[in-house]
Amino acid sequence: AQTVTQSQPEMSVQEAETVTLSCTYDTSENNYYLFWYKQPPSRQMILVIRQEAYKQQNATENRFSVNFQKAAKSFSLKISDSQLGDTAMYFCAFMRGRGSQGNLIFGKGTKLSVKP
Amino acid sequence: EADIYQTPRYLVIGTGKKITLECSQTMGHDKMYWYQQDPGMELHLIHYSYGVNSTEKGDLSSESTVSRIRTEHFPLTLESARPSHTSQYLCASSEGAMNTEAFFGQGTRLTVV
Repeated sequence: AQTVTQSQPEMSVQEAETVTLSCTYDTSENNYYLFWYKQPPSRQMILVIRQEAYKQQNATENRFSVNFQKAAKSFSLKISDSQLGDTAMYFCAFMRGRGSQGNLIFGKGTKLSVKP
Repeated sequence: EADIYQTPRYLVIGTGKKITLECSQTMGHDKMYWYQQDPGMELHLIHYSYGVNSTEKGDLSSESTVSRIRTEHFPLTLESARPSHTSQYLCASSEGAMNTEAFFGQGTRLTVV
């Protein structure tokens, strides 16, 4: 069974600093997709960044980047130059299944607080 | 803002009542999902659908049921609400490919008293 584990229930960072959120996953599949989603307080969940397992290059979206270690089944999120608006719950997610039959499962989340 | 809508946003209802949580999307997505989330906690997949007339149960056992008669509509029904059903319910949709983004509604916060 596929699982997603986020071992940091809560983290805090000073504004403008860098923070890394951890995620590990377990799967027997060779090709799959990983995502980080952000859920701001009382707002909709939105996609932060995605990574395809067959791509060795780590994905980057502006201040957000991932460190994808396929052999270690690790998928951490780095937020550079943290901003107050980054305060949110962050969920690591795994798309399991094949083709159009896949569905999305989530880790328990990490609550990130950015302090001024 | 994503074109996926959930109604109502908040619902307080008595034990034993039948309720339907609505979810609609205008993006033509084949896949739709229902997740249950307690405040500040993880999301549990309770139902999903790959398209019209397709419904599957998720990882978390739920007494709710779903239907998918139209592509854009994926309602969730509880025949007899109980206090244990108190939670936030999130609806999401995505295209069929594995690497596509899921879009989420704003959620329905259900309280059963």
